[in-house]
Amino acid sequence: EAGVTQFPSHSVIEKGQTVTLRCDPISGHDNLYWYRRVMGKEIKFLLHFVKESKQDESGMPNNRFLAERTGGTYSTLKVQPAELEDSGVYFCASSQDSGPYNEQFFGPGTRLTVL
Amino acid sequence: DAKTTQPNSMESNEEEPVHLPCNHSTISGTDYIHWYRQLPSQGPEYVIHGLTSNVNNRMASLAIAEDRKSSTLILHRATLRDAAVYYCIRRSNYQLIWGAGTKLIIKP
Repeated sequence: EAGVTQFPSHSVIEKGQTVTLRCDPISGHDNLYWYRRVMGKEIKFLLHFVKESKQDESGMPNNRFLAERTGGTYSTLKVQPAELEDSGVYFCASSQDSGPYNEQFFGPGTRLTVL
Repeated sequence: DAKTTQPNSMESNEEEPVHLPCNHSTISGTDYIHWYRQLPSQGPEYVIHGLTSNVNNRMASLAIAEDRKSSTLILHRATLRDAAVYYCIRRSNYQLIWGAGTKLIIKP
């Protein structure tokens, strides 16, 4: 069974440009999460989808970030316009259930560099 | 949200047990303790979780202090493939609240 996949693996853009990251969760997983690690900091939660609905987006840093999950399958995270401080690694994870004891399966991450 | 605290790095010899400590002194009664690890160039990978009782699985054991203010991840026989950053995480509702992690170095 395929794991969580993310595209692209790396992205280098200039400040002010737009970037869209994609995540394909494990088939059948209703729960999808986005996390990121910016340079020198801990991994931080961004948001959580249950199917196509946003369950918790309390970690989204500002309105330059827009996450969608149309149809409850894959998800996109768009950054517009990108700023230097957005550089980091963005991880996507999925899980079958959302209980506090459930394992989340992570993708390899997208490394975003904003110049 | 209070994060967990862990040593920055630890070294161990191959084939020996490893005890990775974690402090979570402000954890609430309903928060689970999760451990994930991240191998080089990969995403984080689940290791184990617990609430109050000690837990064992095929990868590791988790010993949780009676007052729940600390826990220890135990790798019973570390191999070179266990070299990774190990994260002690507080699971609060849906969110994983990450610490800085411990880089585990395994010496052959």
